[in-house]
Amino acid sequence: GESVGLHLPTLSVQEGDNSIINCAYSNSASDYFIWYKQESGKGPQFIIDIRSNMDKRQGQRVTVLLNKTVKHLSLQIAATQPGDSAVYFCAENIAGSGSRLTFGEGTQLTVNP
Amino acid sequence: DAGVIQSPRHEVTEMGQEVTLRCKPISGHNSLFWYRQTMMRGLELLIYFNNNVPIDDSGMPEDRFSAKMPNASFSTLKIQPSEPRDSAVYFCASSVGQGSYGYTFGSGTRLTVV
Repeated sequence: GESVGLHLPTLSVQEGDNSIINCAYSNSASDYFIWYKQESGKGPQFIIDIRSNMDKRQGQRVTVLLNKTVKHLSLQIAATQPGDSAVYFCAENIAGSGSRLTFGEGTQLTVNP
Repeated sequence: DAGVIQSPRHEVTEMGQEVTLRCKPISGHNSLFWYRQTMMRGLELLIYFNNNVPIDDSGMPEDRFSAKMPNASFSTLKIQPSEPRDSAVYFCASSVGQGSYGYTFGSGTRLTVV
């Protein structure tokens, strides 16, 4: 039969709006998290990271929030631009697993001009 | 900084043929990772090396897959014999070293096995 691929969660926003992309994780031993951006035809690109001893970290136009109680991570993009259109992945490192990063399924962000 | 360099960018091969993917990590990076990306399974870690030594190859699908890192500036991922289900984008990434998780990815090799 025909294979069915992943149906990525999608988020569509208007240019200039703020975007919030969410990620859930399940392993309470995860102690480091990274957000990556992947544009079509390119490899994932590092955006921002956060360690489990922090709740919030800010970069240029981006903020990552970590809620360890409910094992939830979010990426906020301020004043979203057409160039922000991409697939966004969260990745986690589990303490004791060495340098291995486990990636989430990704969210497709589309910015409408 | 040329970043992580992968070759070829695209590879089309017939089932049963040997395929070799190549990667040059960023100079000074001591950890190297091979990932596979498909629509069905997303990004999967195949294997990673620290200081040219394979540390975790639990993601390598089967014996048809092998990876080597003969020196700090070069790694290969080989599939022999290739099968249609190996069709995917294969990414190489490198990082400064153990405990540093900010990978830099290459542009990937899109492999199609017909």
